[in-house]
Amino acid sequence: GAVVSQHPSWVICKSGTSVKIECRSLDFQATTMFWYRQFPKQSLMLMATSNEGSKATYEQGVEKDKFLINHASLTLSTLTVTSAHPEDSSFYICSALLGSSGHYEQYFGPGTRLTVT
Amino acid sequence: QKEVEQDPGPLSVPEGAIVSLNCTYSNSAFQYFMWYRQYSRKGPELLMYTYSSGNKEDGRFTAQVDKSSKYISLFIRDSQPSDSATYLCAMSFGQGGKLIFGQGTELSVKP
Repeated sequence: GAVVSQHPSWVICKSGTSVKIECRSLDFQATTMFWYRQFPKQSLMLMATSNEGSKATYEQGVEKDKFLINHASLTLSTLTVTSAHPEDSSFYICSALLGSSGHYEQYFGPGTRLTVT
Repeated sequence: QKEVEQDPGPLSVPEGAIVSLNCTYSNSAFQYFMWYRQYSRKGPELLMYTYSSGNKEDGRFTAQVDKSSKYISLFIRDSQPSDSATYLCAMSFGQGGKLIFGQGTELSVKP
């Protein structure tokens, strides 16, 4: 099956520092990847759509200068949280889009728990 | 009003029970309807996928979509303790498009 990994699985950082999260599709190429944020006992909220070789498309209310997304290859997208603050503490989940025979499915990574102190 | 509404639960049932999970939505343009299962501190995994209205069955799981009522359901028969997880409904306007998730229902199946 299609596997998506994320690194790191958890990270603690100090307020004001930047953190990079990697999302990799291990056994398939993904032109499109998505980044979600999930607060405790809440739903996944789409932050941005990442397309290989082009700029990411951010959802309304998501600061693109704070959440930098780079999709430099067909198997890797990165999310950098710049100048992190405690309110950025959350569970960040990526997904990679795989399409075959007219059917598309998002495969999700295991998530990265970010704690900003 | 949220685009997708889902009762967060928690829902606790005895092993072997039939579980009914539901979502309502407001945008009639949604065409694709999914149910995901998410274990604690893990990413969601796709359980069921339905296009437009109708029913779909896969083993112990049945998904129903009623577009006229803007209502979707997931039924789990003969529930097992291993089914204990959070179940999220999700919808999209088109194939491969962004997903709009419900809040998720936390299910606990007691042995």
